[in-house]
Amino acid sequence: DVKVTQSSRYLVKRTGEKVFLECVQDMDHENMFWYRQDPGLGLRLIYFSYDVKMKEKGDIPEGYSVSREKKERFSLILESASTNQTSMYLCASRTDRRTEAFFGQGTRLTVV
Amino acid sequence: SQQGEEDPQALSIQEGENATMNCSYKTSINNLQWYRQNSGRGLVHLILIRSNEREKHSGRLRVTLDTSKKSSSLLITASRAADTASYFCATGYSGGYNKLIFGAGTRLAVHP
Repeated sequence: DVKVTQSSRYLVKRTGEKVFLECVQDMDHENMFWYRQDPGLGLRLIYFSYDVKMKEKGDIPEGYSVSREKKERFSLILESASTNQTSMYLCASRTDRRTEAFFGQGTRLTVV
Repeated sequence: SQQGEEDPQALSIQEGENATMNCSYKTSINNLQWYRQNSGRGLVHLILIRSNEREKHSGRLRVTLDTSKKSSSLLITASRAADTASYFCATGYSGGYNKLIFGAGTRLAVHP
């Protein structure tokens, strides 16, 4: 059974903290994605990675960075958390552009 | 910028009725995918239609694709209360990197 696991289901962090969101997939997928989801805005792409150590900015990369040192793990980093980064964060992975994506369960991050 | 835009934003129907959701996109695509999200959870892939296909079926789901109009529709026949969820279309670009871009989604409520 395919599996994308996000490290936390709920997270509360303070303004200014450095926050790490981890995502692990066990399907040997090339592509991995980080999205944030806000009411009425759907899913917005933050970053994606098409191979180990390769990354591309999505539509809203400001305030975020990513790391993909190993194929199975894609980390999203909030360098200095702010209240406007309070959101649901979703990780996904897929083999390549011809295939469907598999999603993790989401991390609901609250920055106070 | 979001590639896909769903219409309507919200849909409320009775059990047994059909539900139709539409998606429009802006650029050339490799394929178009539909996903479902139950409240507060990750997304689940429903169906993928390639740019050279016009129609695809999966159980009670029927998807059409019109590349000349840059639009797709998802039809759920004989809706059930368990179909209550948000539905998203996602598009993969035909060129460039492997981005997967989502629309804002349609919230479907099926009443018993």
